[in-house]
Amino acid sequence: DMKVTQMPRYLIKRMGENVLLECGQDMSHETMYWYRQDPGLGLQLIYISYDVDSNSEGDIPKGYRVSRKKREHFSLILDSAKTNQTSVYFCASSSRLGVNYAEQFFGPGTRLTVL
Amino acid sequence: GDSVTQTEGLVTLTEGLPVMLNCTYQTIYSNPFLFWYVHYLNESPRLLLKSSTDNKRTEHQGFHATLHKSSSSFHLQKSSAQLSDSALYYCALSVEGSNAKLTFGKGTKLSVKS
Repeated sequence: DMKVTQMPRYLIKRMGENVLLECGQDMSHETMYWYRQDPGLGLQLIYISYDVDSNSEGDIPKGYRVSRKKREHFSLILDSAKTNQTSVYFCASSSRLGVNYAEQFFGPGTRLTVL
Repeated sequence: GDSVTQTEGLVTLTEGLPVMLNCTYQTIYSNPFLFWYVHYLNESPRLLLKSSTDNKRTEHQGFHATLHKSSSSFHLQKSSAQLSDSALYYCALSVEGSNAKLTFGKGTKLSVKS
């Protein structure tokens, strides 16, 4: 069953707290992504990972870092969360086959609120 | 850099009327890959259709789009809107130098009413 999972689905944190969002996929995809979705701004790429320990900044990496120690897992970390990081975060994965034409498979999202 | 422009904001339609969501793109590359992703409420975004062939209609789940390189467009169309089509639609672009990254438009929210 091709699936991307995200944990937790909902999270409320206070400003200055650390946040860990986790993503898993069962398709052995090499490439994984973290996006945030905000009304009127669409999906913005935070980080992309091409495989284990091969991560690259996306369009809005400031305030975020990532970790990928296993191909099937990709974590997004917010050190000292800020209120403007309140958003819905989506993880996605894709195969390296047909790299620029490959479908991205998305997880269900994590709704993060930073108070 | 590359960019995608979509019909802005909210499109409200009555059930049964045709759907057309606009998407235009800008890139210096001559062989773009265009995608439409759909995001239904409380579900994951998913691929609706994609194309890299100029002037060829591609169809899926009643929707269709044609990549026109001459006008840098990839509009999404459907002949008759259904209530279940209400969702957020994203147009996205990839090119040879993208290295697996997509450039997304800001999304168009389609609301279909009875």
